[in-house]
Amino acid sequence: DGGITQSPKYLFRKEGQNVTLSCEQNLNHDAMYWYRQDPGQGLRLIYYSQIVNDFQKGDIAEGYSVSREKKESFPLTVTSAQKNPTAFYLCASIGAEAFFGQGTRLTVV
Amino acid sequence: GIQVEQSPPDLILQEGANSTLRCNFSDSVNNLQWFHQNPWGQLINLFYIPSGTKQNGRLSATTVATERYSLLYISSSQTTDSGVYFCAVENYGGSQGNLIFGKGTKLSVKP
Repeated sequence: DGGITQSPKYLFRKEGQNVTLSCEQNLNHDAMYWYRQDPGQGLRLIYYSQIVNDFQKGDIAEGYSVSREKKESFPLTVTSAQKNPTAFYLCASIGAEAFFGQGTRLTVV
Repeated sequence: GIQVEQSPPDLILQEGANSTLRCNFSDSVNNLQWFHQNPWGQLINLFYIPSGTKQNGRLSATTVATERYSLLYISSSQTTDSGVYFCAVENYGGSQGNLIFGKGTKLSVKP
């Protein structure tokens, strides 16, 4: 099945911890994106990568980091510097059209 | 940057009714997509429609790029149509794939 897979579905973070969200795609797309969604809001861009070993900051990159070592994978790390990380995180793989993973719901405990 | 406004913000329908959702954008775009977010958070691509009209079953969409708006039509609505509908645009001349999302229209279809 072609598609995009995010894991885990639910994630709990303690204060001061870094956590990493996984995003894998087998659509052979060059471009991959991470978005954050807060309740009742649209999606805001965190980071994006249009080619392996290159990535760019989006509108709300502070407190997040990414890597793009393989075309298929674009993991997002939520660092302890992100002061309000509780949100729904969506990864997208984009060719002509955008395809999204099922999302990861991150909660600070 | 480009602004994307969707209306109405909330919509409640009886099953079987028709509806029209609107997306206005403030600048020229080379990509416009409509998405449906189901109650579990999954975003499903409905239409890639930077201009013109497309239909897929009970759904259709029209984008008038020169007037900077797009419309999503839902006919004979079903309870499974419930969720949030997002319009997203890629600014002409912007980074490829950098979609700017509106805040969505929350649709509730009652049986």
